[in-house]
Amino acid sequence: QQQVKQSPQSLIVQKGGISIINCAYENTAFDYFPWYQQFPGKGPALLIAIRPDVSEKKEGRFTISFNKSAKQFSLHIMDSQPGDSATYFCAVFGGGGNKLTFGTGTQLKVEL
Amino acid sequence: GAVVSQHPSWVICKSGTSVKIECRSLDFQATTMFWYRQFPKQSLMLMATSNEGSKATYEQGVEKDKFLINHASLTLSTLTVTSAHPEDSSFYICSASGDRYNEQFFGPGTRLTVL
Repeated sequence: QQQVKQSPQSLIVQKGGISIINCAYENTAFDYFPWYQQFPGKGPALLIAIRPDVSEKKEGRFTISFNKSAKQFSLHIMDSQPGDSATYFCAVFGGGGNKLTFGTGTQLKVEL
Repeated sequence: GAVVSQHPSWVICKSGTSVKIECRSLDFQATTMFWYRQFPKQSLMLMATSNEGSKATYEQGVEKDKFLINHASLTLSTLTVTSAHPEDSSFYICSASGDRYNEQFFGPGTRLTVL
């Protein structure tokens, strides 16, 4: 059973545009929703994370939007840059298990 | 964030041999370390969770006798792939956390290729 569904699988955005990646989950007991950025051949790095008591969190060009009733959360990358080209993973934590469960990943390419 | 290192960054070995991968937390004491495996263009899959001084907890489907995990100190955990086979070729990533399991700091990964 897939605990978190991520879309799209790949995304091409023009430089300066907005990149949007979505995740949906089933277990309402999850209480921590992070996004990770991974470059080829590297480990993932935490970008931004949110807890279910807020609907939005912004850090620089990165924003998480959280919809508790719909059990969805999304990552918005404003003013996308070629250096943002990477694979992005959402994850969920909690629900009785002390572990992160990752989405399937989105390969983002930002073109000039 | 905290710094986690892995050694080696890549390793090539012959089928049937054993390979040890080290994971170190460089600037904090990691009470818990996690080991993940990532196949090309796929997500990270948790293999096991280890707490300092105790036996690791393996995820369903992960052979504990094949993937030996030792967490002997608060800064070091090792993963030994025993009797490696080509299907074990993958990218192995560790992470470390303090008391908050959700706040994991990831290492740079180790690329294992078994010939």
